[in-house]
Amino acid sequence: DQQVKQNSPSLSVQEGRISILNCDYTNSMFDYFLWYKKYPAEGPTFLISISSIKDKNEDGRFTVFLNKSAKHLSLHIVPSQPGDSAVYFCATNTGNQFYFGTGTSLTVIP
Amino acid sequence: NAGVTQTPKFQVLKTGQSMTLQCAQDMNHNSMYWYRQDPGMGLRLIYYSASEGTTDKGEVPNGYNVSRLNKREFSLRLESAAPSQTSVYFCASRAAGNSPLHFGNGTRLTVT
Repeated sequence: DQQVKQNSPSLSVQEGRISILNCDYTNSMFDYFLWYKKYPAEGPTFLISISSIKDKNEDGRFTVFLNKSAKHLSLHIVPSQPGDSAVYFCATNTGNQFYFGTGTSLTVIP
Repeated sequence: NAGVTQTPKFQVLKTGQSMTLQCAQDMNHNSMYWYRQDPGMGLRLIYYSASEGTTDKGEVPNGYNVSRLNKREFSLRLESAAPSQTSVYFCASRAAGNSPLHFGNGTRLTVT
């Protein structure tokens, strides 16, 4: 069973607009959540994280929101840039194990 | 600053052949991981090593073995490769506590 779900395989956004990527998880015991960005032929790169004691974390153009009651995580990118075009994975961990979603391919149109 | 280094980058095997994927990290991280990525499946954990001298199974360990050679190195071995093991393999490491995984650039393996 998928512990972390990303229900949108792809998303297209105009340059300068907001990109919103969504993620749902199943286990309320998860306490650390992350977003990774992946370009083709490269490994995933850590983008931003949030612990379960917070509901928002910002880093420049990237903001992660956590809704624990809904078991929902989202990543907002504002403004979106063509270089943001990549596959984005959400992830969570419990103890030493990390669980990843299936990814959302973001295309930012110039 | 190399981070996590994986070798080889590409490999083609015939069914039944064996090989070892190598991984080394220079960040003095305690924990190391092996994942595989398949289309539509995300990243799935094969094995991990929480610290030098320990290894544990992940979600999809069948057909694989691992060795934590020392704190820097964590290898993944396929004893008898099968076409179902065609995938991209990623090694990762992380420091203690709530810290992110740092990934290598992957090994693309094809088993014919």
